[in-house]
Amino acid sequence: GQNIDQPTEMTATEGAIVQINCTYQTSGFNGLFWYQQHAGEAPTFLSYNVLDGLEEKGRFSSFLSRSKGYSYLLLKELQMKDSASYLCAVRAGANNLFFGTGTRLTVIP
Amino acid sequence: SAVISQKPSRDICQRGTSLTIQCQVDSQVTMMFWYRQQPGQSLTLIATANQGSEATYESGFVIDKFPISRPNLTFSTLTVSNMSPEDSSIYLCSVATGAGELFFGEGSRLTVL
Repeated sequence: GQNIDQPTEMTATEGAIVQINCTYQTSGFNGLFWYQQHAGEAPTFLSYNVLDGLEEKGRFSSFLSRSKGYSYLLLKELQMKDSASYLCAVRAGANNLFFGTGTRLTVIP
Repeated sequence: SAVISQKPSRDICQRGTSLTIQCQVDSQVTMMFWYRQQPGQSLTLIATANQGSEATYESGFVIDKFPISRPNLTFSTLTVSNMSPEDSSIYLCSVATGAGELFFGEGSRLTVL
């Protein structure tokens, strides 16, 4: 089976940096995804890691360590619009994607 | 990326009825998936919609309750059968691109009375 853990809630200040961690245990690991989901909306793709290391996309970066079963999403220069849920998802096998429960991030002024 | 259209975007249904949700993609994709997101929860994979063969269901989901069609590489439907209030949820269609990225439609919010 799949086991994906991430913090339930986090709060950070506008302009700051926040790191959202995700640990996982899975068989047939085939990539890790991060999604952003605003309330009432569908998830939006942020990043995809299949190899160890850091992937950077503007203000968002994602890191993966397969040996540790660990990933993090780093958000820089936080903006109020970044308040959302951030979902860590692991692909096992061909294309089945399994989601964590999500981290609700609140950005405060 | 892929542009994914789902309809209906929302509906209110009576207990015991069935509703079919449609998913249309703007390009041909090999893999299409259906997810459910219950209120306050994360996403759960219902099934993988395979073109030309039966869908592959995850544990806890069965074809009689959630029949799926995949007539071609750009379209799929999910039916929620014999609905009960517990089926009230957002149902999301998603597709995998050749690069391995997975994108979601806007979702269909279903309320069962």
